[in-house]
Amino acid sequence: GQSLEQPSEVTAVEGAIVQINCTYQTSGFYGLSWYQQHDGGAPTFLSYNGLDGLEETGRFSSFLSRSDSYGYLLLQELQMKDSASYFCAVNMNRDDKIIFGKGTRLHILP
Amino acid sequence: NAGVMQNPRHLVRRRGQEARLRCSPMKGHSHVYWYRQLPEEGLKFMVYLQKENIIDESGMPKERFSAEFPKEGPSILRIQQVVRGDSAAYFCASSPSAGLAYNEQFFGPGTRLTVL
Repeated sequence: GQSLEQPSEVTAVEGAIVQINCTYQTSGFYGLSWYQQHDGGAPTFLSYNGLDGLEETGRFSSFLSRSDSYGYLLLQELQMKDSASYFCAVNMNRDDKIIFGKGTRLHILP
Repeated sequence: NAGVMQNPRHLVRRRGQEARLRCSPMKGHSHVYWYRQLPEEGLKFMVYLQKENIIDESGMPKERFSAEFPKEGPSILRIQQVVRGDSAAYFCASSPSAGLAYNEQFFGPGTRLTVL
């Protein structure tokens, strides 16, 4: 079977840094993606890691360790608009389906 | 450049009726994916299609569900004889056939199906 584990909820303060971890066990692996979804909205792509290491995109960074089947999303300088659910997702192949985790709901306190 | 379009945005059906969900991918995208999301859950892959071909339907229930992506027109996800357990948000995503080294999927706004 396929499984991705991430915390169900995380709370942080505006302006702080938060890290959302993800471990995965899947029958295939091409890369790890992260998606953001606001309540009632559509998932939107945030980042992708195909190789080990850190990818930085503005306030968001994502890390992957293939040997540990582990990755994380790092959000810096948190803003209230970052309150959303964040999903890690395994890309099974270049064009194939994506397997999503159950999501981490991020609550941001003023 | 319009994003992925889905309609209807909300659909109410009674048990036993048919639900037809439509998805128009982004211009230039030839890959379409359908996902189902239950409240407080992640997205569950259902089916992956290219024009006129079903590439992977491993996530789609064998009965009552079907999908197509014809040469002309939108992709259709069809649910026959709906049951209450089919109530969910159904998202469509599209991606280009080439260009990036990875599969960034662009999601539509979803269709919220409620079965009474």
